[in-house]
Order: sequence, then structure tokens, then C-alpha cells
Amino acid sequence: DGGITQSPKYLFRKEGQNVTLSCEQNLNHDAMYWYRQDPGQGLRLIYYSQIVNDFQKGDIAEGYSVSREKKESFPLTVTSAQKNPTAFYLCASSIARERGEQFFGPGTRLTVL
Amino acid sequence: KQEVTQIPAALSVPEGENLVLNCSFTDSAIYNLQWFRQDPGKGLTSLLLIQSSQREQTSGRLNASLDKSSGRSTLYIAASQPGDSATYLCAVINYGGSQGNLIFGKGTKLSVKP
Repeated sequence: DGGITQSPKYLFRKEGQNVTLSCEQNLNHDAMYWYRQDPGQGLRLIYYSQIVNDFQKGDIAEGYSVSREKKESFPLTVTSAQKNPTAFYLCASSIARERGEQFFGPGTRLTVL
Repeated sequence: KQEVTQIPAALSVPEGENLVLNCSFTDSAIYNLQWFRQDPGKGLTSLLLIQSSQREQTSGRLNASLDKSSGRSTLYIAASQPGDSATYLCAVINYGGSQGNLIFGKGTKLSVKP
């Protein structure tokens, strides 16, 4: 089955820790995205990547980092510099950045202890 | 700066009713508009994608329209069922500075009662 997988489903972070969220797709899509969803605020873009070894900051990139070493994978690291990381994180992909339909993974819920 | 608004924020209807969800956007220079469904604690499921050159798209009981000049889209759900209960999100992709990035509304939470 083609699709997007995210792991883990739930993640707990202690103060001062870096954590990495996994996103993998087997749709052969070039573009991949990370969004953050908070209650009452809708989805906001953290980072996006149009091609391997290239990525750009979105609207709320501070405290996050990404890499795109393989077409299939776009991991997100939430660093200790992110002051309010508790949220629902969603990964998405599309064939092309401007016109392609975006497909989403099941999400990772991150909670700071 | 593009802003996407969805009204109402919540809607409750009896089963079998036809209903319309509204989405408005402030900048008409868009590549496309996409409607999603989100169940509690889950990811987004793409329902319909309307390219900027199109006026509407249909999938089963769903029909989405796009009027770029007025900055509006509607999602029509025919013969609603309890399984349609979810939050429906509208998002647009702009030309310009944030090219290629989806800009979301805050959603309409739909409850269909048996």
C-alpha cells in the first residue's frame, strides 16, 4: 500500500531534550512538508523540502531542524530551543510543490513532561 | 498575507440532511484549493482538490465549488450520515512569497446525529 507513515504515534519529551520524529513515504513524491497543529490555531508550516538535500523554513521554523538525505524520508528534530513543543505534528507529501495534491500521514502527538 | 476563514466553526445536523460548508480566502491568486477531513486524533484525509482553472470537483456525495473572483469555496455534502462527523478543513496554495505552501482555515466541526 502506498502512503505516508509517521512514528512514533505518541512521544514524550523531558525539558532540555532533543527528539526526532520520523516521516517516510513510498508515493515517489518529490515534495515533503512538516506541519504543527495546535487547538484553535489550525495547521502551521514548519519546514518543507522540494527535493533531496534541499529544504526551506516555513512560518514557524524556530526550534526545529530537518534533513532530506533520501527522497522517501524527511525527519523532524524538535530541539530544546523550541519553548512550547507540545502539539500534534503532521507530515505531508505531494508530487510537485505548487499544484500537487498533498497527502498526510497519521501524525505524532508530542508532549513535554 | 493570505487568510482563510471557515464558517461556521461547528455545525450539528440530523442524518439525511444536505449541508454546505463555507470557506473564504482573502487573496484570489491561488494555484489550487484543497478540502480535507480530520477525525479526532488522526491525520488529514484529502477529499477534493480544485485547480485554479476549475469551477468544481465531485466525489461521491461530495461536491466542492470554487469562485476565485469572490474568494469563496463551498463543500456540499449530500444525504449526510453519522460517519460524516469530523472536522473539515479548507486550504489554499498561493502564488507569490509562500509559493507552494498550504494555508489552512481553522475548520468546521460537523456532527451528524442519527
